[in-house]
Amino acid sequence: GENVEQHPSTLSVQEGDSAVIKCTYSDSASNYFPWYKQELGKRPQLIIDIRSNVGEKKDQRIAVTLNKTAKHFSLHITETQPEDSAVYFCAACSGNQFYFGTGTSLTVIP
Amino acid sequence: EAQVTQNPRYLITVTGKKLTVTCSQNMNHEYMSWYRQDPGLGLRQIYYSMNVEVTDKGDVPEGYKVSRKEKRNFPLILESPSPNQTSLYFCASSLWGSSYNEQFFGPGTRLTVL
Repeated sequence: GENVEQHPSTLSVQEGDSAVIKCTYSDSASNYFPWYKQELGKRPQLIIDIRSNVGEKKDQRIAVTLNKTAKHFSLHITETQPEDSAVYFCAACSGNQFYFGTGTSLTVIP
Repeated sequence: EAQVTQNPRYLITVTGKKLTVTCSQNMNHEYMSWYRQDPGLGLRQIYYSMNVEVTDKGDVPEGYKVSRKEKRNFPLILESPSPNQTSLYFCASSLWGSSYNEQFFGPGTRLTVL
């Protein structure tokens, strides 16, 4: 089956700086890559996603890039704010099945 | 209000006592799924369903059962719970047509098996 690895596991940035979280996947058949944000004690919520026929997608301060050849995708958050502090999960969908990374705990220091 | 609901939200039980966690969505979504979340392991898919009467195993199906008799409901059944099934469980649903769509997660069920 698919194997998704996510790095780093923890990340601290100063408010206003950028944050980058990276994921790799193993199954070349994976074709959908969502990113979820989970605040403490809350449910995961989709923040951005990308399909395999697209190399980059941006939504305000959040962007995702996908390199199918290298089998990796990344989340970029610019101008970070304290409310961006949360755990972020990447995922890959192969067939109809979802595989999640182990999460990145992002702390934005005011 | 469009939502995914789960019940119960918290459950403490003992080894071997059968239990069911219910999941319901009111968005007419075809795809429904169960995940468990454990520290350091992220979310792992247990079972998923593409539509009524269509269910498939996810990555960690052992010890679990599901059914999809109605489009809106997707209960998770633990027939003989064991302590290693202590976890936070999430149900999720999404539209499923020619392309993937956002999964909406329920509020979670925290299960403790003693």
